[in-house]
Amino acid sequence: GAVVSQHPSWVICKSGTSVKIECRSLDFQATTMFWYRQFPKQSLMLMATSNEGSKATYEQGVEKDKFLINHASLTLSTLTVTSAHPEDSSFYICSAPQEINEKLFFGSGTQLSVL
Amino acid sequence: GNSVTQMEGPVTLSEEAFLTINCTYTATGYPSLFWYVQYPGEGLQLLLKATKADDKGSNKGFEATYRKETTSFHLEKGSVQVSDSAVYFCALLPANAGGTSYGKLTFGQGTILTVHP
Repeated sequence: GAVVSQHPSWVICKSGTSVKIECRSLDFQATTMFWYRQFPKQSLMLMATSNEGSKATYEQGVEKDKFLINHASLTLSTLTVTSAHPEDSSFYICSAPQEINEKLFFGSGTQLSVL
Repeated sequence: GNSVTQMEGPVTLSEEAFLTINCTYTATGYPSLFWYVQYPGEGLQLLLKATKADDKGSNKGFEATYRKETTSFHLEKGSVQVSDSAVYFCALLPANAGGTSYGKLTFGQGTILTVHP
């Protein structure tokens, strides 16, 4: 079946640095991808919708200048957490819809820890 | 706004025990309801879904019934196995979602299930 690859699986970084997370659809093209975030013991929340060739759309309360999304090809979307701080420590996960059958495929997630 | 509330975990069971994971939701109209499962090291996978009231979704021995009157979509399995150990997420998609916006799911916080032999 269709696979979405996300990496890294986990990353530890110092406060103030930037971290890039990649999400790839391995055997199908995705004009749209979704990024979610989950803080401990809270719900998995949609952060933004990544659109190939155009700007991402962000959910209310998500800082677009802090969470940079690039969807430069039909198989790759990246999320960059800029100037990360400890409060950005969270579990980030992406998904990509396979339009032909309206199925949604998820990456395995990235655990970010900012020291 | 839309929201999903799941029972808090973790849930620990012995093999062949009965499983219930409660899920209730808040939404306008008739959203579609889903259960996703995430096995260790893997992405979330759709386990089952229901798109209208009184529908029952089922897969791999798991079942959930869309109850509009109680706004619930509880997950059940009659006899769990060690291989069912995973994180389970309840989710909803608003009634007006269409096209590729079906990724705009609202999730619960997830319930960790551990099944011992």
